Amino acid sequence: ETGVTQSPTHLIKTRGQQVTLRCSSQSGHNTVSWYQQALGQGPQFIFQYYREEENGRGNFPPRFSGLQFPNYSSELNVNALELDDSALYLCASSQTGYEAFFGQGTRLTVV
Amino acid sequence: GIQVEQSPPDLILQEGANSTLRCNFSDSVNNLQWFHQNPWGQLINLFYIPSGTKQNGRLSATTVATERYSLLYISSSQTTDSGVYFCAVGDTGNQFYFGTGTSLTVIP
Repeated sequence: ETGVTQSPTHLIKTRGQQVTLRCSSQSGHNTVSWYQQALGQGPQFIFQYYREEENGRGNFPPRFSGLQFPNYSSELNVNALELDDSALYLCASSQTGYEAFFGQGTRLTVV
Repeated sequence: GIQVEQSPPDLILQEGANSTLRCNFSDSVNNLQWFHQNPWGQLINLFYIPSGTKQNGRLSATTVATERYSLLYISSSQTTDSGVYFCAVGDTGNQFYFGTGTSLTVIP
């Protein structure tokens, strides 16, 4: 049990729709990061939030956006869904510079 | 970004055997973690080991940061050890770069 929870666990959306994924960080952690994991691949960094500000972004288009709230929970929003967005989305929380802990993931299927 | 290579990509072992998984990385790092991904997708923390050696039961890990590699040792493997093992390295920004993983299958 990592203390990092994600919702929902599974989701099916239609191409062109928008989706919001949620992550509740572990108590005491001020940094949250999001990753996309395609089938058979390692997770790819999407972006990171530190104290409610975006603090680094990977090679993902602007239709991937996020928020971090004062309680350090976080959202990942994806607009104009494409079939290639189908993946496992993972959230990680940490105290900056220390061990990171991952949630159980949200499996998104775009049809 | 930092390149991470894991080897071997696939490993099949008889229960009770030992194994060594390797992670090479292309640049200096501030963070290195080993994870076991369960069949439901969750990444389970095994070791936080930017340098040095740690042991936890049948598992141990060593990171030689100056030579840019880390090793994960699994002794007396069990069927429950099956799954994908990831090495993830982090730079100063806490962004993780993952390898493509080692898929381990332990046969009874």
